[in-house]
Amino acid sequence: QQQVKQSPQSLIVQKGGISIINCAYENTAFDYFPWYQQFPGKGPALLIAIRPDVSEKKEGRFTISFNKSAKQFSLHIMDSQPGDSATYFCAASGLDQGAQKLVFGQGTRLTINP
Amino acid sequence: NAGVTQTPKFQVLKTGQSMTLQCAQDMNHEYMSWYRQDPGMGLRLIHYSVGAGITDQGEVPNGYNVSRSTTEDFPLRLLSAAPSQTSVYFCASSGSPGTGGREQYFGPGTRLTVT
Repeated sequence: QQQVKQSPQSLIVQKGGISIINCAYENTAFDYFPWYQQFPGKGPALLIAIRPDVSEKKEGRFTISFNKSAKQFSLHIMDSQPGDSATYFCAASGLDQGAQKLVFGQGTRLTINP
Repeated sequence: NAGVTQTPKFQVLKTGQSMTLQCAQDMNHEYMSWYRQDPGMGLRLIHYSVGAGITDQGEVPNGYNVSRSTTEDFPLRLLSAAPSQTSVYFCASSGSPGTGGREQYFGPGTRLTVT
């Protein structure tokens, strides 16, 4: 079963706009929520991560918003740039289930038009 | 540091053939994992290891074997390749969660086609 659901599958945003990708999870034991960025032909790389004890984390133009009661979290990319065009994956894991057992969302292909 | 390395980058197999995908890391990480990536399905965990000599199954382990004889290496074996195993395979490693090492570092991937 898909424990982490991600939407949309694809997203096109104009340069300078805000990109928003959403994820929902089912397992309340998850305690670590990373976002990975993947460029074509490359492996995923950690972009930003959040723990459930905070509602927001910001790193430069990238922000994670976390809603524990709704079991949802989202990635916001401010002032989106063509170099942000990539596939983004949300993921989740829980220490009680083995911290290495990341469960990934389906991925979002983001295109930033210049 | 080279990080996580994988070989080969590309491989074509015939149904029924066996092969080993190699993975190595030079960060002295305890944890290593194998994922497969398929369109529209994200990455799914195949097998993982919490240290040398210790391995366990992930979400999609059937048709794959792993072993971990050293901290650095974590090979993935396909016993009898099937077309359903056509995918991109990623190896990842991370440190101990006890020291805050939740970040997983991924290799560049191996693109496998089974005909």
